[in-house]
Amino acid sequence: AQKVTQAQTEISVVEKEDVTLDCVYETRDTTYYLFWYKQPPSGELVFLIRRNSFDEQNEISGRYSWNFQKSTSSFNFTITASQVVDSAVYFCALSSGSSNTGKLIFGQGTTLQVKP
Amino acid sequence: GAGVSQSPRYKVTKRGQDVALRCDPISGHVSLYWYRQALGQGPEFLTYFNYEAQQDKSGLPNDRFSAERPEGSISTLTIQRTEQRDSAMYRCASSFPPGLAGALQDTQYFGPGTRLTVL
Repeated sequence: AQKVTQAQTEISVVEKEDVTLDCVYETRDTTYYLFWYKQPPSGELVFLIRRNSFDEQNEISGRYSWNFQKSTSSFNFTITASQVVDSAVYFCALSSGSSNTGKLIFGQGTTLQVKP
Repeated sequence: GAGVSQSPRYKVTKRGQDVALRCDPISGHVSLYWYRQALGQGPEFLTYFNYEAQQDKSGLPNDRFSAERPEGSISTLTIQRTEQRDSAMYRCASSFPPGLAGALQDTQYFGPGTRLTVL
C-alpha cells in the first residue's frame, strides 16, 4: 500500500523564521515520484516540485529547498526567511512508477501560518 | 487557455438532484484526472482518462458517480441523486501521459476546482 504522512497539522511562525514541513512516504515500488503542492487561501492547487526516486540530490529554488532521503523515506520542504505570502496549506504527494495511471496519493496537508 | 479550467466554480444543489461538473484540460495534455477534496483533507483520486479511455475508475465512491471524456479533451463528472456527503471540492488535473521521459512530462496541473454544496 502507498501512503503519505504529514504529521504536522498546523505550523505557526513569525516572518523571517525558517520552517520545515515534514513528509514521510510508504511504497514498495522502486520507481516512484514525489511532489509538493501549495494551496493558498484562494484555494487553487499550485505545483511546486517533482522528484523521482532515483534522484536524491537536494534542490533549492530561491527561498525553497527540498531534502529527499530514501533511507528515511522522507521528502521534507524548508522555507527560508518565511514571508506572509507563504501562508498556505502544503501537500506532499506520491505517485507510483509502476502505475499506468500516475494517480497521486496525497498527505493530509500542513497548514502554515506566517505572522508579520 | 493557459491552464486547466473548471466550471462551475461553485455549485449549490438540493439533495437528490443531479449535477454535472466540467473540466477543460491544458491543450495537448492527454491524461486527465478527477480528485475530490473534503475540507481539511488532501485530494483523493476518483478517476483517470487517457485520451477518451477511462482507464481507472477505482476511486469513484459508488455508482452515482460517473465520468466521461468522449472526444479526449473536455471531461464531465456527473453525480446523480446527490447526497449531503457529496459536498466537497472537486478538482480536475491534466498532464502528459505518465511514464514519459523528462522531468516534468507527467506532472499534474490542477484547475481551480468546483466547490459543491449539497443542501
